[in-house]
Amino acid sequence: DTAVSQTPKYLVTQMGNDKSIKCEQNLGHDTMYWYKQDSKKFLKIMFSYNNKELIINETVPNRFSPKSPDKAHLNLHINSLELGDSAVYFCASSRGQAYHLFFGSGTQLSVL
Amino acid sequence: AQSVTQPDIHITVSEGASLELRCNYSYGATPYLFWYVQSPGQGLQLLLKYFSGDTLVQGIKGFEAEFKRSQSSFNLRKPSVHWSDAAEYFCAVGALSPTGTASKLTFGTGTRLQVTL
Repeated sequence: DTAVSQTPKYLVTQMGNDKSIKCEQNLGHDTMYWYKQDSKKFLKIMFSYNNKELIINETVPNRFSPKSPDKAHLNLHINSLELGDSAVYFCASSRGQAYHLFFGSGTQLSVL
Repeated sequence: AQSVTQPDIHITVSEGASLELRCNYSYGATPYLFWYVQSPGQGLQLLLKYFSGDTLVQGIKGFEAEFKRSQSSFNLRKPSVHWSDAAEYFCAVGALSPTGTASKLTFGTGTRLQVTL
């Protein structure tokens, strides 16, 4: 049973398109996150939701819009994709203040 | 703001040799420290964490790390490396969000471990 699952695993698209990445966790956690890993492997937090409420927003361009329909799901929608958006996007979850994050296996986004 | 430095970008060790990966952090309060491992094409898996108490913490897969406040370090060690340990290793420092309901991990840039047979 996959704890944190993201789809799709790979996403190749043209500049200017809009795309979404979906994330689901079955751990019963109440907090979910999106992290971006660039080509140099640097990981940076983008967003965090707790019980469907936005908690952390790290000055990400407003082309990125997270949506949490319930505490088990956190989706990421990206409008007007740019070349610089190419990266691996990781979803993660935790039990509130637990600090221990469980990560999904990532979505590799390539913008051509 | 917290920050993490991993000075070694790439380390190569022979199978069976000992390993130490360096991590230095900057944080104004008591740090919560982590080591994660990322295998190719995979997500990050927690190896171990330090919150308080004993400064030598044991983790999974035979790894351990020692918190040294005076040196602002949290180095990862393993006495005998296996070929399957080849991966990217990330040190991270954690802080709670202002609401106290989410954890913000700041990661180092990672150290890629190569194991030769």
